[in-house]
Amino acid sequence: QVTLRESGPALVRPRQTLTLTCTFSGFSLSAFGMCVSWIRQPPGKALEWLARIDWDDDKYYRTSLKTRLTISKDTSKNQVVLAMTNMDPLDTGTYYCALVRHPQNLIYPWGQGTLVTVSS
Amino acid sequence: EMVLTQSPGTLYLSPGERATLSCRTSQSVDNNYLTWYQQKPGQAPRLLIYSVSSRATGIPARFSGSGSGTDFTLTISRLEPEDFAVYYCQHYDNSLYTFGQGTKLEIK
Repeated sequence: QVTLRESGPALVRPRQTLTLTCTFSGFSLSAFGMCVSWIRQPPGKALEWLARIDWDDDKYYRTSLKTRLTISKDTSKNQVVLAMTNMDPLDTGTYYCALVRHPQNLIYPWGQGTLVTVSS
Repeated sequence: EMVLTQSPGTLYLSPGERATLSCRTSQSVDNNYLTWYQQKPGQAPRLLIYSVSSRATGIPARFSGSGSGTDFTLTISRLEPEDFAVYYCQHYDNSLYTFGQGTKLEIK
């Protein structure tokens, strides 16, 4: 059974860097075709894909946030880390990580999400 | 960059009725990567339909997807009380993922 769980700070100050960790089980991120994505959702708003890291360490980012995002993986720990710099109150929302299987490219299953509030 | 526009924003229906949700893309979807998710309050999205019309594992037959080109539809044939939620369409192309703004299905 595949499970993913997000962890990180609930509160971040403006201009700080947010670091979130996705800890997963039930698959290996070194196996062909396995990828992990991060998606966020501002309160009451739509989903927004942020980044993806692949089994071969290829990385992809949302175009509008590319300069602020860094995704990395630690295969031995079954973890994926997302860093987002220069946080702003508009970045407040629930951040999800999810498994993506290549080549179907379906975002499924998702973690439960973690709420991040950006406020001074 | 692809834009997905969902309509209506909110749909008011009663249990037992048929729901038709629309997703229009700004460019033709030529790779069949059109997906639908359901999201209930406080929960992560749940995969419903992938490749335009394929139901995900465990999804009831009352859910169906259709469409081509730039116009896609999610149909729920007879609404059950648990179907009232927000539905998102999503497209994948060239290593980028785009979501629509969602349609909220509310009980009338």
